[in-house]
This record gives sequence, C-alpha cells and structure tokens, in this order.
Amino acid sequence: DAGITQSPRYKITETGRQVTLMCHQTWSHSYMFWYRQDLGHGLRLIYYSAAADITDKGEVPDGYVVSRSKTENFPLTLESATRSQTSVYFCASNSWDSETIYFGEGSWLTVV
Amino acid sequence: GNSVTQMEGPVTLSEEAFLTINCTYTATGYPSLFWYVQYPGEGLQLLLKATKADDKGSNKGFEATYRKETTSFHLEKGSVQVSDSAVYFCALSSRANQAGTALIFGKGTTLSVSS
Repeated sequence: DAGITQSPRYKITETGRQVTLMCHQTWSHSYMFWYRQDLGHGLRLIYYSAAADITDKGEVPDGYVVSRSKTENFPLTLESATRSQTSVYFCASNSWDSETIYFGEGSWLTVV
Repeated sequence: GNSVTQMEGPVTLSEEAFLTINCTYTATGYPSLFWYVQYPGEGLQLLLKATKADDKGSNKGFEATYRKETTSFHLEKGSVQVSDSAVYFCALSSRANQAGTALIFGKGTTLSVSS
C-alpha cells in the first residue's frame, strides 16, 4: 500500500541550481497536484494535472516547471532555485470520481 | 475568487477542553468543504468533509456543519486529547479548468493540547 511517495524528503541546494522533486502514486489517480506550504500562507497550489500530458498553472507557478509523461509520476522542477523557494512541497492526487485528495509526506527544500 | 479564512492560532487548550476552530469561506456555486489535519513532520490527512448545505461531517470525535447561510464550516470537538495536537486546515473544493478538485486552503490553525 505505497500510496503517494515523494523524493527526496529533504534537500539543501544552492541558489541558481536546478532541482527536481519527484512524486509517484500507485493508485492510478487521474489528477495530481503540487502545493507549497509556508508559514503565514498555508498551502498554495503551484501546478496541477488532469491526466498524462495535461497540466495547468495554479496560484504560484512562477519559477516552476512540471511534466506528466506517465499517469503515476508528476515531477516538479525548479529551473533556477531562489531562496524564496525554500519551502515544504506536497504532492497530492485524487481520482476522477472523488473530491478527497490524498497527500504525500512532503519534501523539505532549503535554498541557500 | 474563492477563499477560505480560518481563525488565527495558536490555540492552546488543556486536555478534555472544548475545541472550536472557526472557518468561513467565499465561493461561487456550491463547493464541498473539508478539514485536513497535519501532525508534526507528516503530510495532510483528510479529517472530515461535507458536500452540501446542512451536511455534518464527523470523524474521531470532530464535527463540522456546512452552513450556507453564514458561509461557515467551524470545527468542533467536545473533549480534546494531547494526541489532537496538530495543525488543522479548512479547505474548499474548486473545480478548475481541466483539473479535478483543486483544493483552496486556509492558512491553518495550530492546536496545542497539554495534559
């Protein structure tokens, strides 16, 4: 019962480097999401995807790129990391017939 | 646009005290409403939900009623335990373009319960 897994769980990187956060789900859920969690802001949606090869921007997409070549994977890439992207990133998914969203355990990213 | 407003925390209670965390929302249409809980170092877990007006969601002793007339979904528990210490998020569903249900979250309320 793997569910939804994120990797790495913890990452420290330098400003300007490219970083990719991985997300894998075993439920074959159609919809997948990336959120970031910051003190004082709660969770904000970065990108979402309705199916393989279908993605769209959320509330805070700048500086991020996503892809979804396979239903089960939804990687998030920071093309050139900035300190403002230090955050906890959560991947989530849900099926087409349910509004309940399931979250991964989070990826703690620090940009120095 | 759609939004969720939660009471500011932290909320500090003694064990067995009554808990209320206020949540109000702004939305077009008829969204579903949710409470998620986040324990330290973990991801978010669904606590309860309500899909239409006057519905009551309940789980683990927590309850919340969908009040359309006051656009509220307040979380309550009659007797909190130390193990309830966590961050609680109110959220509403917002169907967006081609995606499924992208949730819009409040900022979260930290609950700390002492014995």
